[in-house]
Parts: sequence; structure tokens; C-alpha cells
Amino acid sequence: EAQVTQNPRYLITVTGKKLTVTCSQNMNHEYMSWYRQDPGLGLRQIYYSMNVEVTDKGDVPEGYKVSRKEKRNFPLILESPSPNQTSLYFCASSFRATGNTIYFGEGSWLTVV
Amino acid sequence: AQTVTQSQPEMSVQEAETVTLSCTYDTSESDYYLFWYKQPPSRQMILVIRQEAYKQQNATENRFSVNFQKAAKSFSLKISDSQLGDAAMYFCAYRSSTTQGGSEKLVFGKGTKLTVNP
Repeated sequence: EAQVTQNPRYLITVTGKKLTVTCSQNMNHEYMSWYRQDPGLGLRQIYYSMNVEVTDKGDVPEGYKVSRKEKRNFPLILESPSPNQTSLYFCASSFRATGNTIYFGEGSWLTVV
Repeated sequence: AQTVTQSQPEMSVQEAETVTLSCTYDTSESDYYLFWYKQPPSRQMILVIRQEAYKQQNATENRFSVNFQKAAKSFSLKISDSQLGDAAMYFCAYRSSTTQGGSEKLVFGKGTKLTVNP
């Protein structure tokens, strides 16, 4: 079954404690990205990757890091989380040709206190 | 940069009736893709329908259809015979046809919350 899997799905953490949200896809997609969803703002792209070892900033990259060492995995790293990073996070993937459907993970609820 | 506007924060419809959700977008490109995503209370993002800008024919998927007006940059979603399970947040999204840099992202509207009344 085609899947984008995110973990953890729910997390409450404290300010400054480093955390990683993992993302894995089983469809051999080249393109992967992270979005955050906030009330009244829709979804906004944080970072994206066009292939292994190729990553770049999206619209709201501040406070986040990513890496793409393997094609299937694209973790999102919050080095020093702050309360304004409390949000719902989605990982997504697709083949490179942009007409292809983007598949989303189930989302990760992150609360920073 | 492309923008997507959903002017209706909330809509409601009676079960079995028809409802239309509005979406407009701004772009200077001639080729692109448009999508409607449904987000139920589970928060999962579910693709409802997609439209290729180069196709004049409006896309349909069962009870869901779009009215794509390229010149007007309008992409509305019509839901026929509304069901209780259609209640969700609906997002309109744009994706460029180019594959350079950050152009492959989805640009989302802010969403329309649809309530279905029994």
C-alpha cells in the first residue's frame, strides 16, 4: 500500500528540547516536503527535497532543519523548539513531474510549552 | 508568486443538496495544476479532484465536479447530493508545471469549512 508515514503523531515538548519528526515513503518518490498548518493560514511549505542530498527552503523555514540521506526518508528537525512552532505538521511526497499527485502523511501534532 | 484565495471561510448545506465552494488564484503561468483537498476531523489530507490547466474539460469524480474558468482564474468545487461524510475543511491548491527550484510545492488557500446539516 502506498504510504507516507510520520512519527510521532502527537507530541508535547518543552521549549528548547531538540526533537525530530520522521517521515518515510514507500513509493520511490524523488520529491518530498514538509508543511505546517495553522488556523486561518492554510498549509505552508517549510522545506523540500528534490532528491537525495538535495534540499532547499520553503516559505517558512526559520527554526527548522532537514536532511535527505536516503530517498525514502525526510526527517524534520527542530533544534530548539519554541511555542510558535506549535502546529500540525504534514510530510508529503510525489514524483518529480509536477502533474503527479502529492501524497500526504497523516500529520503530526506538535505542542511546545 | 502564485496565490490562492478561498473567500468563504465557512459554508453550510442541507443533506442531499448541492453546494459550491469558491476558489480563485493568481498566476502568470499558462500551464499548471489545480487541486481540491478535503480535510475531515481526522486531519488527514484527502485528494478530492485535480484539474490540468491545459484541459478545457472540467474534471469530475462521482459527486464532485469543478468549474474551471482559466481566463477568470477561477476553480470552484461543486458537491452534489451532499452527505454527512462530506463535512470537512476543503482546501484549494495550485501547483506549477515547472520543476525548477521551489516551484513544485502546493500553494494552498486558507480553506473553507463545510458543514452538512441533516
